[in-house]
Amino acid sequence: EAGVAQSPRYKIIEKRQSVAFWCNPISGHATLYWYQQILGQGPKLLIQFQNNGVVDDSQLPKDRFSAERLKGVDSTLKIQPAKLEDSAVYLCASSLKQGLSYEQYFGPGTRLTVT
Amino acid sequence: AQKVTQAQTEISVVEKEDVTLDCVYETRDTTYYLFWYKQPPSGELVFLIRRNSFDEQNEISGRYSWNFQKSTSSFNFTITASQVVDSAVYFCALSEGGTYKYIFGTGTRLKVLA
Repeated sequence: EAGVAQSPRYKIIEKRQSVAFWCNPISGHATLYWYQQILGQGPKLLIQFQNNGVVDDSQLPKDRFSAERLKGVDSTLKIQPAKLEDSAVYLCASSLKQGLSYEQYFGPGTRLTVT
Repeated sequence: AQKVTQAQTEISVVEKEDVTLDCVYETRDTTYYLFWYKQPPSGELVFLIRRNSFDEQNEISGRYSWNFQKSTSSFNFTITASQVVDSAVYFCALSEGGTYKYIFGTGTRLKVLA
């Protein structure tokens, strides 16, 4: 079974530029998550989708971050404009359903460096 | 408020030694799940175990074992006879009913030296 796919793996941009990340979850997984992992910290949830609807985006900086999952499968996360403090690894995860007993499976992440 | 504390920032052991990674959590919910994930240098978080709040049985999987104690709000992870391939950052996470989102600890970096 193919895992969660993410691209690109690495991205370097200058501050105030825009960037987009792509995620393809495990086939059949209804729930998709985007996390931000700053160096030396645990992942922090940015946004959660159930199919193509947003379940939780309480920690998403909506003035610069946006995400969509139009057809309930792939998802994109965008940052515009980027700030230095956005340098982090952006992890995508998926789970079969939303619920306590469903573990999340993570992709390899996209390492973003903002200079 | 929910919180996960992994007080050990980094641990170094020599191969074949046993090592225990500590995890202490805080929650007001009676129904919750605890997880351990491994993050090797490649960056991908690998699922290791899930435990629900009503099941305090310890679990063993090969060289890995987990000790869940509600009385001390701890969910510790032991690797027996450590190997170099165990070198990674290990995260403990908590998921509560209602939100389902994971709250991660800050991780423990384990270095196993040959």
